[in-house]
Amino acid sequence: QVQLVESGGGVVQPGRSLRLSCAASGFTFSSYGMHWVRQAPGKGLEWVALIWYDGSNKYYADSVKGRFIISRDNSKNTLYLQMNSLRAEDTAVYYCAREGGPYGGNSDIHYFDFWGQGTLVTVSS
Amino acid sequence: QSVLTQPPSVSAAPGQKVTISCSGSSSNIGNNYVSWYQQLPGTAPKLLIYESKKRPSGIPDRFSGSKSGTSATLGITGLQTGDEADYYCGTWDTSLSANYVFGTGTKVTVL
Repeated sequence: QVQLVESGGGVVQPGRSLRLSCAASGFTFSSYGMHWVRQAPGKGLEWVALIWYDGSNKYYADSVKGRFIISRDNSKNTLYLQMNSLRAEDTAVYYCAREGGPYGGNSDIHYFDFWGQGTLVTVSS
Repeated sequence: QSVLTQPPSVSAAPGQKVTISCSGSSSNIGNNYVSWYQQLPGTAPKLLIYESKKRPSGIPDRFSGSKSGTSATLGITGLQTGDEADYYCGTWDTSLSANYVFGTGTKVTVL
């Protein structure tokens, strides 16, 4: 069965960096696009980033562009989110999610068919 | 700030039907498929509807989706207490930069 397990969350000071990981299993990771989605405490869902199946293309929300970097290691079945210059407004549960659309993310059809359980990132001094 | 607008809450008695609207624009819903997600308290979201009206395996046919123009609708019939959750619509948006957008979210309460 498909499993996505996030790790790397924690408490970090404003301006510092943190790297999240998402370990995937139960499917051919290298064939699927992958996303990060976050949810601030008591708030709605916010999409963060998408990476194609082969890592050749990446897309970011304007709120994180230039600060966050999405990447993947298909040999390790792992997705990453490098978060730099963190701000208080980045405090959220971060979910990794599998792209359900065709062609590993290289299409106009995007949705999230499987989600991890999430990891909490708190940015506070 | 979300570009997709949903009602904050809807409610109905067990066995009844509710509908949740999702209003967008030509840069998102008007030209792309819509998906819907259910988030039970304290859990990760779960896919309910994709490509505007398709259900993943395991999702009962009490849940349905439709799209017309720049709006989409999620319907839930035969409401059950286990359906109490937050529901989000979402779609790709190509206005200024390509990105995915979620709706504001709707809390469903079973009376």
